[in-house]
Amino acid sequence: SQQGEEDPQALSIQEGENATMNCSYKTSINNLQWYRQNSGRGLVHLILIRSNEREKHSGRLRVTLDTSKKSSSLLITASRAADTASYFCANSLLQGAQKLVFGQGTRLTINP
Amino acid sequence: GAVVSQHPSWVICKSGTSVKIECRSLDFQATTMFWYRQFPKQSLMLMATSNEGSKATYEQGVEKDKFLINHASLTLSTLTVTSAHPEDSSFYICSVKGLAGRYEQYFGPGTRLTVT
Repeated sequence: SQQGEEDPQALSIQEGENATMNCSYKTSINNLQWYRQNSGRGLVHLILIRSNEREKHSGRLRVTLDTSKKSSSLLITASRAADTASYFCANSLLQGAQKLVFGQGTRLTINP
Repeated sequence: GAVVSQHPSWVICKSGTSVKIECRSLDFQATTMFWYRQFPKQSLMLMATSNEGSKATYEQGVEKDKFLINHASLTLSTLTVTSAHPEDSSFYICSVKGLAGRYEQYFGPGTRLTVT
C-alpha cells in the first residue's frame, strides 16, 4: 500500500492552543496537500505544498515539507472550536500526479 | 474552487439490489472525476478515476463489474453499486479535479450507503 501515516491519530487540545499534525509518505511526490473533513461530510482543501517548497503559510495554517524524510507537518495556530474536524494529508505522486493517496488522518478536537 | 454535489446524501437498500449515486460538478466542466470509499473512522481509498467520454480506470482490487462508473458529460459522473452486499456499506465520496496544471481536488458531500 502506498498509503501514508499520520500522527497522532487523535489530538485533543484547549481552544487557543496550537495543534500540530504530522504525516509521512512512502514514494516520491509531485506535491502534498492537506484537507479537512467535518464529521460525515466531504473534504475541504486547505493547502498545497510543492515538492520543491519547504514551508507554506495560509492564514492560521503553516505547512512544512521535508522530502528527505518523506514527511510533512500541519500547524494550526490559535485554535478555535470550529477547527474540530479530521485532517488528512494527501500526496500527489510524481507519476500520475492527478491521483491523491491519503494518509490515515488525525481527529482533532478543540475544547472550548 | 469547484462546487460538487452528490445525490442521494444517504440511501438504504436491500442486499442484492443495485444503487446509483450521482456526482455533479455544478460550476465547472470536469473532464476528470474521482470516486472514493471511506469506512468509519478510516481514510479515503481511491476506487476509480472517471474520465469524460471514456472508460473509468479502476484501482487494484476494485471490481469494475460491481462498481459501474459512467461519466457521460462534463458535469455528471455516476457510480452504480450492483448486487449490493452489507460489506458494501460505506461512505462514497466523489471529487473533481481542478483546472489543467492544478492538483487540488474538490469534493462532494458524500453518500452514506447502508445495505441491509
